[in-house]
Amino acid sequence: DAEITQSPRHKITETGRQVTLACHQTWNHNNMFWYRQDLGHGLRLIHYSYGVQDTNKGEVSDGYSVSRSNTEDLPLTLESAASSQTSVYFCASSHRGDEQFFGPGTRLTVL
Amino acid sequence: AQTVTQSQPEMSVQEAETVTLSCTYDTSESDYYLFWYKQPPSRQMILVIRQEAYKQQNATENRFSVNFQKAAKSFSLKISDSQLGDAAMYFCAYRRQGGSEKLVFGKGTKLTVNP
Repeated sequence: DAEITQSPRHKITETGRQVTLACHQTWNHNNMFWYRQDLGHGLRLIHYSYGVQDTNKGEVSDGYSVSRSNTEDLPLTLESAASSQTSVYFCASSHRGDEQFFGPGTRLTVL
Repeated sequence: AQTVTQSQPEMSVQEAETVTLSCTYDTSESDYYLFWYKQPPSRQMILVIRQEAYKQQNATENRFSVNFQKAAKSFSLKISDSQLGDAAMYFCAYRRQGGSEKLVFGKGTKLTVNP
């Protein structure tokens, strides 16, 4: 069955370290998204991509980057992790115009 | 920019009773989609129901139905015959039709179901 996976599911890191969160989907969806979820804020969009080599900034993109080298993967990189980036991160994918399917989430703690 | 507001941080309901979760949104667009997502303690985001703005008929999915009031920019979720498994965070979300595929979420409502 097609699915969307995220790894790792839990990560603890230190301030200033570079961290990469993986997202892999087997739906063959063109669209992929990264959100962060914080208490009292719901889900907020970090970055998104509509296809290979396409990336766009969302509303909370500072300190994050993405690259899309193939259809299946959209890794999210925190260049220099900060405590404010402690959060739960969700990846999602969709066909154009269709519903978004979400991964299981990654809980990131920055100490 | 579009915004989505859920004014009820927490709600509770007795098992088998009916509960309504509120959502309002702000947009200048005429064509868009609205969604309700459920997030149980497992953290998995699950689509509950979807409404296209051009459709006057309210969407229903089994025990879940919406009251879509386009002029009032209101999109409430009604859960009938509440079950213990309905306990979760519920998020209202907005997406433009055409162009941007981005979802804009409300802050969520935590629903507790009492036995």
